[in-house]
Amino acid sequence: AQTVTQSQPEMSVQEAETVTLSCTYDTSESDYYLFWYKQPPSRQMILVIRQEAYKQQNATENRFSVNFQKAAKSFSLKISDSQLGDAAMYFCASQGGSEKLVFGKGTKLTVNP
Amino acid sequence: DTGVSQDPRHKITKRGQNVTFRCDPISEHNRLYWYRQTLGQGPEFLTYFQNEAQLEKSRLLSDRFSAERPKGSFSTLEIQRTEQGDSAMYLCASPRGRLAGVDEQFFGPGTRLTVL
Repeated sequence: AQTVTQSQPEMSVQEAETVTLSCTYDTSESDYYLFWYKQPPSRQMILVIRQEAYKQQNATENRFSVNFQKAAKSFSLKISDSQLGDAAMYFCASQGGSEKLVFGKGTKLTVNP
Repeated sequence: DTGVSQDPRHKITKRGQNVTFRCDPISEHNRLYWYRQTLGQGPEFLTYFQNEAQLEKSRLLSDRFSAERPKGSFSTLEIQRTEQGDSAMYLCASPRGRLAGVDEQFFGPGTRLTVL
């Protein structure tokens, strides 16, 4: 069974600053994948970034990067140069061989102008 | 817009009534997932189709729930004899790849169900 834990229900950041969202996970699978999804208010959930567990190099997508610590089962998301449009719920998720996503409870990110 | 559509976007019903939701995935996606998201929680997996075959169902999917995907295109999720605990956002998602394996899932906007 897979579990995903997001211990920060809410976070806030000043525009242009950097914020890190935490995520820990547990899985018995040897091959798995980790994701961060963004859910803006009343809008569709979209993928922010993904990480294959077999890759040691941390994934980056423009202003978004992850810190993947496999031994610690930690997968944090760093948002640099935060923008007002980054305000949303952020969900960490894992995916193993069964393909279904297992989500954490989410972190609500507020970006202050 | 991810290309996945769901209808209706909102549904208010009285306890005991039946409701049906529809999901239209991106046309070339042969896999389709249903998730349920309650307030303050992340989405939880309900069921999964590959083409028209329903391959996996969660324990959350009680006997009152049924899902279909005729002809491997759109999918419907029906809840019979709704209960207040069924109030949630029902999300549909489809991965891009045609082969089994990990791939980005594209989510629809969801159907928000309120059971009075």
